[in-house]
Amino acid sequence: DVKVTQSSRYLVKRTGEKVFLECVQDMDHENMFWYRQDPGLGLRLIYFSYDVKMKEKGDIPEGYSVSREKKERFSLILESASTNQTSMYLCASSASSGDSYEQYFGPGTRLTVT
Amino acid sequence: AQSVTQLDSQVPVFEEAPVELRCNYSSSVSVYLFWYVQYPNQGLQLLLKYLSGSTLVKGINGFEAEFNKSQTSFHLRKPSVHISDTAEYFCASTNTGTASKLTFGTGTRLQVTL
Repeated sequence: DVKVTQSSRYLVKRTGEKVFLECVQDMDHENMFWYRQDPGLGLRLIYFSYDVKMKEKGDIPEGYSVSREKKERFSLILESASTNQTSMYLCASSASSGDSYEQYFGPGTRLTVT
Repeated sequence: AQSVTQLDSQVPVFEEAPVELRCNYSSSVSVYLFWYVQYPNQGLQLLLKYLSGSTLVKGINGFEAEFNKSQTSFHLRKPSVHISDTAEYFCASTNTGTASKLTFGTGTRLQVTL
């Protein structure tokens, strides 16, 4: 059974802090994704990675960076958190081969920036 | 560019009644289509997917969806809903050529009451 875990379910940070959100998957998936979810806006892709040390910007990368040093781990970094980054953050992974194309999601991290 | 439209942000329905959640997509190329469900305080879980073949796709928990290419739709249906179906439902698409990235709709909140 595929498992995607995220380091925290709830996080409260202050404006200007550096924030790290960690995601780990145990299925040897090549692709990993970070989304933010806001009411009425659905899921919006922040960054994704299709291999170790490889990354591509998604639809809303501003204010975020990512790191993928190992295949199973994908980190989202908020260099200087702002209140407009208060949101639910979802990590997902998928295989790049085969015919499934399914993305597997973690439980999410609800981040509040005060 | 792809887009996915979920016209209904909320759908209230009584238990044991049928329900249809609407999804329309726009793409100039062939697409794969997905429905995900998100229960309160959880990540997203795949309900069903259309990759090719039969246009009627059956998923988990008694849900099904029909791919209609001429109307660019992929509506989700269930003949008789249960209280436990209360959740948010997301439609998503991806181009068959670059099947890693998903484009999500804004979600439909299904509220089932007695």
